[in-house]
Amino acid sequence: GQQLNQSPQSMFIQEGEDVSMNCTSSSIFNTWLWYKQDPGEGPVLLIALYKAGELTSNGRLTAQFGITRKDSFLNISASIPSDVGIYFCAGQLISGTGNQFYFGTGTSLTVIP
Amino acid sequence: AAGVIQSPRHLIKEKRETATLKCYPIPRHDTVYWYQQGPGQDPQFLISFYEKMQSDKGSIPDRFSAQQFSDYHSELNMSSLELGDSALYFCASSLEGAGANVLTFGAGSRLTVL
Repeated sequence: GQQLNQSPQSMFIQEGEDVSMNCTSSSIFNTWLWYKQDPGEGPVLLIALYKAGELTSNGRLTAQFGITRKDSFLNISASIPSDVGIYFCAGQLISGTGNQFYFGTGTSLTVIP
Repeated sequence: AAGVIQSPRHLIKEKRETATLKCYPIPRHDTVYWYQQGPGQDPQFLISFYEKMQSDKGSIPDRFSAQQFSDYHSELNMSSLELGDSALYFCASSLEGAGANVLTFGAGSRLTVL
């Protein structure tokens, strides 16, 4: 399957700090998605990016679809304790057999009050 | 708004037993995906269905099978369970007939094999 390299693997930050994480791949994706997962729960969609170069915000979250369509980043500004969780990027690939979604390895975020 | 419903939320089985997980997608969504997530791992794609037909297959063991029914709900059947099958199993749905490119996940079913 496709490999998405997500970094950093984990982050420990002080409340109020900004956070940045990214995903890169050797493949070109049609869509980039960012999800947040709380322990024992399903991933929840944060931001969806559909076009190369697209920059999209959702509150304190900002994400961009890389120009090459092989990468994406997610920024969280002014972090708060409830931002704690695991963040996954996902790339969507349209193939002859349909849509396929590939996930990054996740970034574990810890916010220290 | 209605979300993806999975049942059961928790399931404990013994080795060599059989388990069935159910998924009810968001109403009018035409595609269902099944993922397996081990501890500290990212979700691994198992299988997907579009309009009740299998559309793609990932790393699903031969001991597992799945289908999507006429009401669009899906079931994942796991037989001859092994300790390594212990994981969170997620179902996700999307509306691909309309060109949507996002997955909406259920809360997951946690399977523990003893």
